[in-house]
Amino acid sequence: AQSVTQLGSHVSVSEGALVLLRCNYSSSVPPYLFWYVQYPNQGLQLLLKYTSAATLVKGINGFEAEFKKSETSFHLTKPSAHMSDAAEYFCAVSYADSNYQLIWGAGTKLIIKP
Amino acid sequence: EAQVTQNPRYLITVTGKKLTVTCSQNMNHEYMSWYRQDPGLGLRQIYYSMNVEVTDKGDVPEGYKVSRKEKRNFPLILESPSPNQTSLYFCASRPGTGNQPQHFGDGTRLSIL
Repeated sequence: AQSVTQLGSHVSVSEGALVLLRCNYSSSVPPYLFWYVQYPNQGLQLLLKYTSAATLVKGINGFEAEFKKSETSFHLTKPSAHMSDAAEYFCAVSYADSNYQLIWGAGTKLIIKP
Repeated sequence: EAQVTQNPRYLITVTGKKLTVTCSQNMNHEYMSWYRQDPGLGLRQIYYSMNVEVTDKGDVPEGYKVSRKEKRNFPLILESPSPNQTSLYFCASRPGTGNQPQHFGDGTRLSIL
């Protein structure tokens, strides 16, 4: 069965430092890929999505992600962390042959140190 | 404003007392889904619906029921809640065609004592 792995349940960075959140998927067939963000006491909102148009995808709030087929990865980055980025981030994938049902990673909580 | 609305946002109840969590969307989306979120486990799908009168089990359907009588509503029913159903629940919707992102409600925190 296909799966999504997010390395690190918690990631801590200093304000102004680079943010790197890792996501790997298991299948040999490239999926559709998403990053969602969940702020405290809120639902999830779409950060960005990859749909094969370009390997580097820009999202909201200065985040971007790069699809690397050879590494089956879709890591999320932001050059300079801000206190407002503190949230939980979820990577998800979907496939056309499964009605685009989302398969979720376990999430990574991003902690920003002042 | 396009939104997915869940009610209630918070509920504390007791084992065995039937409850319903409502979900309504105003975007005319065909697809709707229920998830539960537990620490360290991410989101797990309970049930989903591809359209009116079409529902299917997700990964963790035991102890839950759903119905889809109208396009906009997708209630989640716990006929006899148990403590292991204490969780944070999310409803989501998206268009039925293509690979579109899902829109989420703000969540319902259920505590079953």
